[in-house]
Amino acid sequence: GAVVSQHPSWVICKSGTSVKIECRSLDFQATTMFWYRQFPKQSLMLMATSNEGSKATYEQGVEKDKFLINHASLTLSTLTVTSAHPEDSSFYICSARTGTDQETQYFGPGTRLLVL
Amino acid sequence: SQQGEEDPQALSIQEGENATMNCSYKTSINNLQWYRQNSGRGLVHLILIRSNEREKHSGRLRVTLDTSKKSSSLLITASRAADTASYFCATDHLTFGKGTMLLVSP
Repeated sequence: GAVVSQHPSWVICKSGTSVKIECRSLDFQATTMFWYRQFPKQSLMLMATSNEGSKATYEQGVEKDKFLINHASLTLSTLTVTSAHPEDSSFYICSARTGTDQETQYFGPGTRLLVL
Repeated sequence: SQQGEEDPQALSIQEGENATMNCSYKTSINNLQWYRQNSGRGLVHLILIRSNEREKHSGRLRVTLDTSKKSSSLLITASRAADTASYFCATDHLTFGKGTMLLVSP
């Protein structure tokens, strides 16, 4: 149980385009979802926290107009990287919490974004 | 400030040996969690230890927590090649350390 999927697993795009990444909880309802980015051999950095039906809370230094997060349902959150640039190339990972367990995060497999 | 600093940054051992990784954090916590990440993959939750717990076991994993020193350790006993991965600690403040890269050689 508690499986989180991400789609796509990898994406290559041209500079200036927008890219949408989906995060789904497959067998549970995720009241809260988190988005992280990870650079090679680095740690995960929390970008934002999203609760279903409300606006995402962004961490300091993360541009909310650049990284649009939508948590429209209890099983789906999307991250859209708008007008992507090469420096946005990274590994993006989402995680989710169930409504009953507020301590454990279940992580998706990640999406590797390469902006040319 | 960054919480969840692991050491060592890298650890290379032989199969069958034990591996110990340490994690320090800066502020008070409710719990601390350890995760593993295989190269280019998502994170797998290993174990959670609460602030009122001192030690916890799960299979070949043993986690300790010393809230007075703001530190935790993860011990993997009788390591296997399949344990090769990066290991991260994270507090309930959702901040991860840089991780320890563990290489277990056959």
